[in-house]
Amino acid sequence: IRMTQSPSSLSASVGERVTLTCRASQIIDTDLQWYQQKPGKVPTLLIFDTSNLATGVPSRFSGSRSGPEFSLSITNVQPEDVATYFCQQTYSSPLTFGGGTKVEIK
Amino acid sequence: DVGLVESGGGLVQPGGSLRLSCAASGFTFNKYAMTWVRQAPGKGLEWVSAIDETGDASGYADSVKGRFTISRDNSKNTVFLQMNTLGTEDTAVYYCARVKDGIPWERPLDNWGQGTQVTVS
Repeated sequence: IRMTQSPSSLSASVGERVTLTCRASQIIDTDLQWYQQKPGKVPTLLIFDTSNLATGVPSRFSGSRSGPEFSLSITNVQPEDVATYFCQQTYSSPLTFGGGTKVEIK
Repeated sequence: DVGLVESGGGLVQPGGSLRLSCAASGFTFNKYAMTWVRQAPGKGLEWVSAIDETGDASGYADSVKGRFTISRDNSKNTVFLQMNTLGTEDTAVYYCARVKDGIPWERPLDNWGQGTQVTVS
């Protein structure tokens, strides 16, 4: 299953709302996970099963699905949100990641 | 606290082999599937392999199938990745990660190790 993320990068102002998208090449139900990887750090689980926040994740992050397209939204973007965000399908093996979206602050 | 510590990485020539280890602590290891994920320099994440909690079932990315073998020793709380016939395309940081909720392995990864560097050159 091929996972396509867009955009590949974006630049946002502090306080802005941003939306990242991830599209699967076939049906994956809600088996879509989001990870955050800050520069030089290990990836961490951000959102699981499309819309559930992982432990300790701020409520400004949210996940949703509209048909075949999945979205990760960050409201009120903060400087600490600078990171690359990866989606992953866990619907069927081999599990696959998207190419990532790099979020920067203007 | 959950702890995952990878080891065994290093520099190897093309065609060579390496065996990675991941020592787990802080949770009931034999109730969790485990996964290996890699990240080439400046690139994204690539799921490599996973193994169920008993070691009886496993899965592989197409890019490593037939060359890599995942295994585990539940008596030692350790998961392994045997990598054979390595090529330059296998150069990456290899992360060990725990599967959320234990099983099956087709679940998100809720704890990651710091990674071990593998360089094929």
